[in-house]
Amino acid sequence: RKEVEQDPGPFNVPEGATVAFNCTYSNSASQSFFWYRQDCRKEPKLLMSVYSSGNEDGRFTAQLNRASQYISLLIRDSKLSDSATYLCVVNERNQFYFGTGTSLTVIP
Amino acid sequence: DVKVTQSSRYLVKRTGEKVFLECVQDMDHENMFWYRQDPGLGLRLIYFSYDVKMKEKGDIPEGYSVSREKKERFSLILESASTNQTSMYLCASSSLGLAGTQFFGPGTRLTVL
Repeated sequence: RKEVEQDPGPFNVPEGATVAFNCTYSNSASQSFFWYRQDCRKEPKLLMSVYSSGNEDGRFTAQLNRASQYISLLIRDSKLSDSATYLCVVNERNQFYFGTGTSLTVIP
Repeated sequence: DVKVTQSSRYLVKRTGEKVFLECVQDMDHENMFWYRQDPGLGLRLIYFSYDVKMKEKGDIPEGYSVSREKKERFSLILESASTNQTSMYLCASSSLGLAGTQFFGPGTRLTVL
């Protein structure tokens, strides 16, 4: 069983739409959680950390549900520049486990 | 501006060659990692290091070794390259602690012929 699982998509949404990604993790002892963004042929870059209380950064909202062991990312008012692959990442004792990523394409 | 650099963006080698991939970070991070990324498989951890001269195997260490002689530098070595090691190799570093996020280098696309 994979440590971190994501729906690979692809998600194709029109500009201005709201889109949500979910991710589940298997180890209840996981300690910290992140969403990374990866553009085509580029390295992953941190989008945001995820906290139990939920956190928001502009159009992006991340949530963590420890009881159900899932993490979510909500993108509101999608822009063309949001097109990328979004990676769910879980940290256990300084090791990072990556989901395979969810592909998003925002269509004009 | 924080930085992780990798010695090559593209590399072409022949089967059986010894290959060195170098990674340098300027953030004084304790942890450094080597991953490979393949379509449909995501990032897979090859080795990581949490201190100078320390190393730990990741999920797929076979056919690879690493070296960390200085804190800022972490090298990945393919002792005898094979075609199934054709991949994108990504180096990352992070600080210790729960909040330590990873910063990635630009990656090396290795092709083994």
